[in-house]
Amino acid sequence: EVQLVQSGVEVKKPGESLEISCKGSGYSFTTYWIGWVRQLPGKGLEWMGIINPGDSDTRYNSSFQGQVIISADKSISTAYLHWTSLKASDTAIYYCARQGGGSVSIDYWGQGTLVTVSS
Amino acid sequence: DIQMTQSPSSLSASVGDRVTITCRASQNINNYLNWYQQKPGKAPNLLIYAASSLQSGVPSRFSGSASGTDFTLTISSLQPEDFATYYCQQSYSPPYTFGQGTNLEIK
Repeated sequence: EVQLVQSGVEVKKPGESLEISCKGSGYSFTTYWIGWVRQLPGKGLEWMGIINPGDSDTRYNSSFQGQVIISADKSISTAYLHWTSLKASDTAIYYCARQGGGSVSIDYWGQGTLVTVSS
Repeated sequence: DIQMTQSPSSLSASVGDRVTITCRASQNINNYLNWYQQKPGKAPNLLIYAASSLQSGVPSRFSGSASGTDFTLTISSLQPEDFATYYCQQSYSPPYTFGQGTNLEIK
């Protein structure tokens, strides 16, 4: 069974760094790109970027370029989303997602990680 | 970046109704258009990919169609479990942008 399991709830202060994770199982992790999607409270879905776990080729939405870093460690089938300095506006649910469906659709999603940034 | 304009933003309907949601791409996306359903507190779920292909396990009352850069999601007969938010997404060219979403509510 394909699964993407994300790390747990985070509560951080502005200016702190953070890394959340997404561990894939039930398939060959290097076969499909993994993406990250943000959902601000009560808002819609925003596509942040994707990474090819096989070679770490990464594409960012320009809106998030320089704000986050997407990485992956294929040896442990895990993708990461990293912030060096969080802002209150980063408060959101973050989903990882496998872009493995037909026409590069997202066929599997993680359960989401709630990140709250507050002083 | 390719912009996806989804309408309506909200919709009230009754069980048994036929419902249509539309999405327009700002340029040609070669039918790389996907539809997702999201229920409160849950991750989205893929319904339709490549504009009109039904994802495995999705009920046949869901269908998708395309005409140029205009795309449509149709639910033929609404069921109680269909009340949710629906998103289109283009996967033709990164960033793979989503539409703004359509909140489908019970009338």
